[in-house]
Amino acid sequence: GDSVTQMEGPVTLSEEAFLTINCTYTATGYPSLFWYVQYPGEGLQLLLKATKADDKGSNKGFEATYRKETTSFHLEKGSVQVSDSAVYFCALSGGTGTASKLTFGTGTRLQVTL
Amino acid sequence: GAGVSQSPSNKVTEKGKDVELRCDPISGHTALYWYRQSLGQGLEFLIYFQGNSAPDKSGLPSDRFSAERTGGSVSTLTIQRTQQEDSAVYLCASSFFRGKQETQYFGPGTRLLVL
Repeated sequence: GDSVTQMEGPVTLSEEAFLTINCTYTATGYPSLFWYVQYPGEGLQLLLKATKADDKGSNKGFEATYRKETTSFHLEKGSVQVSDSAVYFCALSGGTGTASKLTFGTGTRLQVTL
Repeated sequence: GAGVSQSPSNKVTEKGKDVELRCDPISGHTALYWYRQSLGQGLEFLIYFQGNSAPDKSGLPSDRFSAERTGGSVSTLTIQRTQQEDSAVYLCASSFFRGKQETQYFGPGTRLLVL
């Protein structure tokens, strides 16, 4: 079946540090890939997405590139802020079964300190 | 505009009781999904609606779980004879179309605690 693997957290960084959260996937076909973010006390929000190989999704300074050859969709940001502290979920859709249901990774908690 | 809303936001119940969780999707969204977020299992898909029909119920964990959607809008997830392992946050999401490229918009969730 489909699966998403993302790096264990928590990740603790100082403000203005570079962020990478690794995400790899297993799926049949050609899935779409997503990063969702969950800020403290809030619901899941879409951060960015990419729907085909070599696409780059970007939003709020975050970027991720859909790499079919390595089945990866790593999240990066050049300079994190305290306000980026949240839990980040990598997800895919378009794999086995219902085309649109999301399969999520376990989430990575990011804590940014001053 | 209004986002996805869910009610109640919190629910505490006793083992063996039935509970109903409600989801109001974004107006005009034809696809509706239920997910469950729990400490042990992460985020799991439960069921998907297209209009009022549920072509994929593969994620429902047991026959104690059921869901319906009426008028192509509101959906109710019902858990009968609740068990402690049902404790989790139940999330609803909607999207304008079905399809793997569509963005799903999530509600704030219902936090269920079974004592």
